[in-house]
Amino acid sequence: GAGVSQSPSNKVTEKGKDVELRCDPISGHTALYWYRQSLGQGLEFLIYFQGNSAPDKSGLPSDRFSAERTGGSVSTLTIQRTQQEDSAVYLCASSLGTGGGNQPQHFGDGTRLSIL
Amino acid sequence: AQSVTQLDSHVSVSEGTPVLLRCNYSSSYSPSLFWYVQHPNKGLQLLLKYTSAATLVKGINGFEAEFKKSETSFHLTKPSAHMSDAAEYFCVVSEGRGYQKVTFGIGTKLQVIP
Repeated sequence: GAGVSQSPSNKVTEKGKDVELRCDPISGHTALYWYRQSLGQGLEFLIYFQGNSAPDKSGLPSDRFSAERTGGSVSTLTIQRTQQEDSAVYLCASSLGTGGGNQPQHFGDGTRLSIL
Repeated sequence: AQSVTQLDSHVSVSEGTPVLLRCNYSSSYSPSLFWYVQHPNKGLQLLLKYTSAATLVKGINGFEAEFKKSETSFHLTKPSAHMSDAAEYFCVVSEGRGYQKVTFGIGTKLQVIP
């Protein structure tokens, strides 16, 4: 596709349930990032993928959060046993990731997650 | 280590007047710097980037930013605000060594008054 695609755009679920958020990066982008944006907060880095591996998982807030990427393309962020503090917008971004930090990131529109 | 400080959480301007959104950074290496804009319920869109070429960088929608190493600043400006500029703006720094970990500022909400 032309841009980064995230699904679902909105997700409402009950506390304690598991959720899966999906990200389709721009074709050919090897780097993929997940961020969390809470109301009134900036962007909180969660995890970075280069290809299928995740050299930086330092932002995952707890072991309830995990992510994978397959085929160097689609990524899934999974939150187990959701808590109310998990409510936020989850943004995915991709970039060419050819090395160095001068490649801009291209963002999807996010998944708005609400935990009841 | 790198960091970025957006000096104003909210800025309000009248339509047709200049816009100034301030950003200061710190970096151990030669940084790459970016400004992104986020409209409500949308992802972030790249406005412009600095990557050690010209210090005055022109972006989309009439925005520009000047890299000032001596002041460690990368302020975003626009000569004349338009109603469609109302959004949140993020300044971003990357140290640009190997893995491109980036640091986002907390954002500046720009309000444009008709």
